[in-house]
Amino acid sequence: DVKVTQSSRYLVKRTGEKVFLECVQDMDHENMFWYRQDPGLGLRLIYFSYDVKMKEKGDIPEGYSVSREKKERFSLILESASTNQTSMYLCASIWNAGGVYEQYFGPGTRLTVT
Amino acid sequence: RKEVEQDPGPFNVPEGATVAFNCTYSNSASQSFFWYRQDCRKEPKLLMSVYSSGNEDGRFTAQLNRASQYISLLIRDSKLSDSATYLCVVTVNDYKLSFGAGTTVTVRA
Repeated sequence: DVKVTQSSRYLVKRTGEKVFLECVQDMDHENMFWYRQDPGLGLRLIYFSYDVKMKEKGDIPEGYSVSREKKERFSLILESASTNQTSMYLCASIWNAGGVYEQYFGPGTRLTVT
Repeated sequence: RKEVEQDPGPFNVPEGATVAFNCTYSNSASQSFFWYRQDCRKEPKLLMSVYSSGNEDGRFTAQLNRASQYISLLIRDSKLSDSATYLCVVTVNDYKLSFGAGTTVTVRA
């Protein structure tokens, strides 16, 4: 069974803290993504990676960085957490074969920055 | 203008009813189209892909209208378990998936 896991379901951090969100997939997918989801805004892409050590900015990369040292692991880093980064963070990986996509999501991390 | 727009609803329908809603997209180069389902406080899961000719999966029917740039989802014979938020997803390439904010459907007994 396909699996994307995230290190925490709920996290509370203080303003200015460095925050690490970990994502691991066991499907040998090359493409991995980090989104945040906010009410009324839908999912917005923060960063994605199409290979180990490769990363590309998404639509809202400011205040975030990522790391992909191994194929199965994609980390999101908040260098200095701020209250406007309170959100649901979703990691995903994509299976793509001949234009047929299926994106698998992790269970999400609900981050609160106080 | 948002790349993908959906009526947020909520659509409140009785069990057994038919409910349908649309999603519009702005990029005419969009290639692939999907409906995802998201339950409260859970991650989105793929419900179905949307093909040019329209497609059906049990009680669910999806349609694509490229000329008018919208996709639709119709749910027949609604069940209580269909209560969820339905996300419209449009892709431009392998890395660019645009999500709508979701349409909430509540099926009541």
